Amino acid sequence: KNQVEQSPQSLIILEGKNCTLQCNYTVSPFSNLRWYKQDTGRGPVSLTIMTFSENTKSNGRYTATLDADTKQSSLHITASQLSDSASYICVVSGSKKLTFGTGTRLTIIP
Amino acid sequence: NAGVTQTPKFQVLKTGQSMTLQCAQDMNHEYMSWYRQDPGMGLRLIHYSVGAGITDQGEVPNGYNVSRSTTEDFPLRLLSAAPSQTSVYFCASREGVPMSSYNSPLHFGNGTRLTVT
Repeated sequence: KNQVEQSPQSLIILEGKNCTLQCNYTVSPFSNLRWYKQDTGRGPVSLTIMTFSENTKSNGRYTATLDADTKQSSLHITASQLSDSASYICVVSGSKKLTFGTGTRLTIIP
Repeated sequence: NAGVTQTPKFQVLKTGQSMTLQCAQDMNHEYMSWYRQDPGMGLRLIHYSVGAGITDQGEVPNGYNVSRSTTEDFPLRLLSAAPSQTSVYFCASREGVPMSSYNSPLHFGNGTRLTVT
């Protein structure tokens, strides 16, 4: 069964600190992996996409990694800001279907 | 551009009532879809459409109907609301149609929070 598991479920960090969110998947065949950010009361918004051949990709203070051999991805947030408080959802595409993770709820405190 | 617009933002229904959730997009996307989001679960696909006049079932279609008469609009109808349909509903669109578009991101509306009592 295709699954996407994210950890931790929730995370609280101080403003200015770094953090890393994890995504493990069992989706096969694999097409791509995308990270979305969902602010409270809003729909998810795409942050970045990782394809099979990509190991690392940065989007401002967000850096995503992909290890297709171990089927793991991470999203690293550098110098966190209050506006980073949100849920982060990992979505894996494969075999004509998207499989969604349950998300990590990140809270940044001043 | 407004992107994907959903109405209403909030709705309370009694068991057995029917209603339609509205979704419109102004990006000329062929692909549109409806998801529900429940606590502790990933987004689940209800129905989707790859163009006007074409719809198909997703993972959890029971109790819901859709139609696609225009490229812009994709309403979701609840035929006889049940407490199990209490959820947040998201409409999403994407450039292109499967299989060609899996590298394109989904564009989501801001959701409709539905409570069925």
